[in-house]
Amino acid sequence: QKEVEQNSGPLSVPEGAIASLNCTYSDRVSQSFFWYRQYSGKSPELIMSIYSNGDKEDGRFTAQLNKASQYVSLLIRDSQPSDSATYLCAVTYSGAGSYQLTFGKGTKLSVIP
Amino acid sequence: DTEVTQTPKHLVMGMTNKKSLKCEQHMGHRAMYWYKQKAKKPPELMFVYSYEKLSINESVPSRFSPECPNSSLLNLHLHALQPEDSALYLCASSQVRTVRGNTIYFGEGSWLTVV
Repeated sequence: QKEVEQNSGPLSVPEGAIASLNCTYSDRVSQSFFWYRQYSGKSPELIMSIYSNGDKEDGRFTAQLNKASQYVSLLIRDSQPSDSATYLCAVTYSGAGSYQLTFGKGTKLSVIP
Repeated sequence: DTEVTQTPKHLVMGMTNKKSLKCEQHMGHRAMYWYKQKAKKPPELMFVYSYEKLSINESVPSRFSPECPNSSLLNLHLHALQPEDSALYLCASSQVRTVRGNTIYFGEGSWLTVV
């Protein structure tokens, strides 16, 4: 059973702080890793994708991947109230043509003004 | 703004009705997906089309019938649904890759209520 685990939260951080969201996955042959943001009542929106070990930065967002530890994280710097949403970690596994995107249950982030 | 467009955004249907959800993308993607999402749950994969052919059916009941008329369009035909089928239905698309995972882009979704 291929699993993606996230702390469901809620995670509360003050405005301007760094929010750290974590995700672990069970299958060592996982190839691609994604973070989606989902506002209440809306569809998931892609925030970051990462394929190689290390850090990837895009604006206030940094994704970190450690394949040896089977761990991927998302850091949000200078958190804003508009970042309040559920963040979904998603992993694709090789095998079915990489179509199988497995989601974690999501972490609800609240940024307190 | 998403480049995957879904219609209708909201649909209320009775258990004996027949209706369809529609999806269109203009990103040149050759893989298209239907996901179902219940409240406070992650999206669950229903179907995958690759090059207009059904490649994955995640044991979805036959009251859901997908159709891919061409590379830009994806439909989900609904018939004799149950109230528990009420959910957000998400269409998505991606390139087709076998080496790295595909980046999947979601439409805004169709909210379905079965009464």
